[in-house]
Amino acid sequence: EAQVTQNPRYLITVTGKKLTVTCSQNMNHEYMSWYRQDPGLGLRQIYYSMNVEVTDKGDVPEGYKVSRKEKRNFPLILESPSPNQTSLYFCASTFLPDRGQTGELFFGEGSRLTVL
Amino acid sequence: AQSVTQLDSHVSVSEGTPVLLRCNYSSSYSPSLFWYVQHPNKGLQLLLKYTSAATLVKGINGFEAEFKKSETSFHLTKPSAHMSDAAEYFCGLNQAGTALIFGKGTTLSVSS
Repeated sequence: EAQVTQNPRYLITVTGKKLTVTCSQNMNHEYMSWYRQDPGLGLRQIYYSMNVEVTDKGDVPEGYKVSRKEKRNFPLILESPSPNQTSLYFCASTFLPDRGQTGELFFGEGSRLTVL
Repeated sequence: AQSVTQLDSHVSVSEGTPVLLRCNYSSSYSPSLFWYVQHPNKGLQLLLKYTSAATLVKGINGFEAEFKKSETSFHLTKPSAHMSDAAEYFCGLNQAGTALIFGKGTTLSVSS
């Protein structure tokens, strides 16, 4: 089954304790992205990757890191989480057609993170 | 700069009445436009997409949207609301193969 898998789905942590949210897709998509969803602010892009070893900042990258060592995986790293990073996080992926525009995004089920 | 504006944060309708969720966009080039739906505690699911083919796009569950370049709009409609349509809806825009950006979302409530 084609899917985007995120882990953990729920996490409560404390300020400063490094954490990683994993994202894996089995559709051989070139493009992967992380979003955070906050009430009243909608979905905001954190980072995205056009292919292996190619990453770029989205609208709200501060406090986050990503890596793309393999095509299927795109982990989101919070080196020193703070309470303002409490949010619902979504990973998404898509293919890149020849003309360069992305196709539809396939989303994971979300990871709800609480930083105390 | 490209942007997406969803004109209503909350829309309430009665079951069986039409649904209209409004989305305006700003883009330097011909964009691809999308509507996604998010049910409670779920990820986002694609409803429909416009990619410069037919301007009237039909999606799943009876939804459709019309791309109007002159009005820079991509409003989502459904002739008759169902209780199961209650969810949050996001309009998205993609240009030049980079970020897919979203509006702030519209919560649709459906009453019986």
